[in-house]
Amino acid sequence: AQSVSQHNHHVILSEAASLELGCNYSYGGTVNLFWYVQYPGQHLQLLLKYFSGDPLVKGIKGFEAEFIKSKFSFNLRKPSVQWSDTAEYFCAVNGNDYKLSFGAGTTVTVRA
Amino acid sequence: ETGVTQSPTHLIKTRGQQVTLRCSSQSGHNTVSWYQQALGQGPQFIFQYYREEENGRGNFPPRFSGLQFPNYSSELNVNALELDDSALYLCASSLAYTGTGYGYTFGSGTRLTVV
Repeated sequence: AQSVSQHNHHVILSEAASLELGCNYSYGGTVNLFWYVQYPGQHLQLLLKYFSGDPLVKGIKGFEAEFIKSKFSFNLRKPSVQWSDTAEYFCAVNGNDYKLSFGAGTTVTVRA
Repeated sequence: ETGVTQSPTHLIKTRGQQVTLRCSSQSGHNTVSWYQQALGQGPQFIFQYYREEENGRGNFPPRFSGLQFPNYSSELNVNALELDDSALYLCASSLAYTGTGYGYTFGSGTRLTVV
């Protein structure tokens, strides 16, 4: 069975600071990897996804993530956060099946 | 392009009752899956429907059931509600069988409270 672990439950930082959220997964086969964001009161939105190819993936709103196969990791980064990045962030994985397995989420609070 | 719409947005039910939640998938999507998101947790996969048949199920009891209609809309039914069923229920649609290459589009969810 696949599982996803997100390292931080809550991250608080100031505007313009850099952000990195950790994500590790457990799965024996080929995986597809996703980061979703959930702004307060809104639905889950796809930030970026990795299926194959370049392990450095660029997403929307200046986010990027790096897939490191040897470490089973897919960490999310943003060089300079804004107040509007305050949200909950979920890492998710699926293998050659139909379901997404989500991590518990990381709440990011950006202080102006 | 319409997104995924879910109804109702909020619902309060009494323990032991039955509930039906509805989902209209994004235009052109033929696969619908349902997730339960308890407070402070990530979404948990309930099941998926493809071409009107359930083709995958997570670790949920049989009192969680569903339907997919020819227009790809879907229902989630929960019988004999328990207090622990209180959660946000998310519907996600995708074009391909596993979402590969396309990803999943999520609705805003239905907040179910069981009292």
